[in-house]
Amino acid sequence: DAMVIQNPRYQVTQFGKPVTLSCSQTLNHNVMYWYQQKSSQAPKLLFHYYDKDFNNEADTPDNFQSRRPNTSFCFLDIRSPGLGDAAMYLCAAGQGGYGYTFGSGTRLTVV
Amino acid sequence: SQELEQSPQSLIVQEGKNLTINCTSSKTLYGLYWYKQKYGEGLIFLMMLQKGGEEKSHEKITAKLDEKKQQSSLHITASQPSHAGIYLCGADSGGTSYGKLTFGQGTILTVHP
Repeated sequence: DAMVIQNPRYQVTQFGKPVTLSCSQTLNHNVMYWYQQKSSQAPKLLFHYYDKDFNNEADTPDNFQSRRPNTSFCFLDIRSPGLGDAAMYLCAAGQGGYGYTFGSGTRLTVV
Repeated sequence: SQELEQSPQSLIVQEGKNLTINCTSSKTLYGLYWYKQKYGEGLIFLMMLQKGGEEKSHEKITAKLDEKKQQSSLHITASQPSHAGIYLCGADSGGTSYGKLTFGQGTILTVHP
């Protein structure tokens, strides 16, 4: 089945140590999104790629970066994780008229 | 920016009861999505509504979008414990090429057997 896959499901990182979260899609959708969801809150869009064009939300901290080397893969890099960055990170793929498909998420713990 | 308000914030029902969750937008909706989320997991797509007055059903879940496209409801008939989770509505900002989803704060549903 076509889907969005996130790895790993759980990630523990040390305070200040760079960490990368991965997302891949088999839908061949041209847009990929990264959302941050903190406990008991709605998912919040961090940024998205339309093909290779990167679009940052205005309030996304500089600590968060993203890479999309090809249509299928998209990475979320957190350069210096703080305790406040502990959250569920959700990746989604979308294309006009086809809706949005989400992955299972990566739960990030910062120790 | 588009704001979505969901009500109620949480809901506890007995198995077999019907329930309704509402989602209200501050602006006319281009598209409205409903997702379900189990604790600690990703979002599972339920339904997408785009036309005013549209109604869709899947198994025991029915979603409606009002004629003005500013309010949607999700109705569950004869609830089961498997329906428990967090229900999120999402507003699609997009046009013909692509959009972005903005979510409501979610409704936590508990179903007691």
